[in-house]
Amino acid sequence: AQSVAQPEDQVNVAEGNPLTVKCTYSVSGNPYLFWYVQYPNRGLQFLLKYITGDNLVKGSYGFEAEFNKSQTSFHLKKPSALVSDSALYFCAVRDWSNYQLIWGAGTKLIIKP
Amino acid sequence: DGGITQSPKYLFRKEGQNVTLSCEQNLNHDAMYWYRQDPGQGLRLIYYSQIVNDFQKGDIAEGYSVSREKKESFPLTVTSAQKNPTAFYLCASSGQGAQGAGELFFGEGSRLTVL
Repeated sequence: AQSVAQPEDQVNVAEGNPLTVKCTYSVSGNPYLFWYVQYPNRGLQFLLKYITGDNLVKGSYGFEAEFNKSQTSFHLKKPSALVSDSALYFCAVRDWSNYQLIWGAGTKLIIKP
Repeated sequence: DGGITQSPKYLFRKEGQNVTLSCEQNLNHDAMYWYRQDPGQGLRLIYYSQIVNDFQKGDIAEGYSVSREKKESFPLTVTSAQKNPTAFYLCASSGQGAQGAGELFFGEGSRLTVL
């Protein structure tokens, strides 16, 4: 079965420190992977995607993600966290059976000043 | 500015009532989606439409209905058959190229509360 796992419900990071939000996936076929961010009571915003090519993908707001095929992971990273990065982050993978997205449960990122 | 507009932002419903959530987009996107979001869970797909006058059930379509009479509009009706309708509802759209790549554009959401 195809699935996405975000093993951490919440991640706490001090401002200025690097941050990592973890995502692992299981999919039949080539993995198309995505990260989205959601601020409180708002819709989701697209951050970045991996389709093919370089394993390190750069996205919006200084975020990047590293695709690791052997570990079936697609962790979101940022070198220096900002308080404004505090939000809910979702990882998603494309389901090839119907071309829709399968979503992780989300990880709440809290950046403390 | 181009985008997706959902209304109302907040809605209260009595048990047994049907309610309709509006979703309008001016991005000229072919595909539109409705998701339900509950705390601690990922987004769950209710219905999606890849072209006007056509739509498909998602993972949790029971108790919901949609129509796609215009490219710009994809309203969702939450019927009285939906046993637990209190949730945050998100509408999204994507273009043909973006649909292939999974880049969705979301509205601001509608929060439905059953009294």
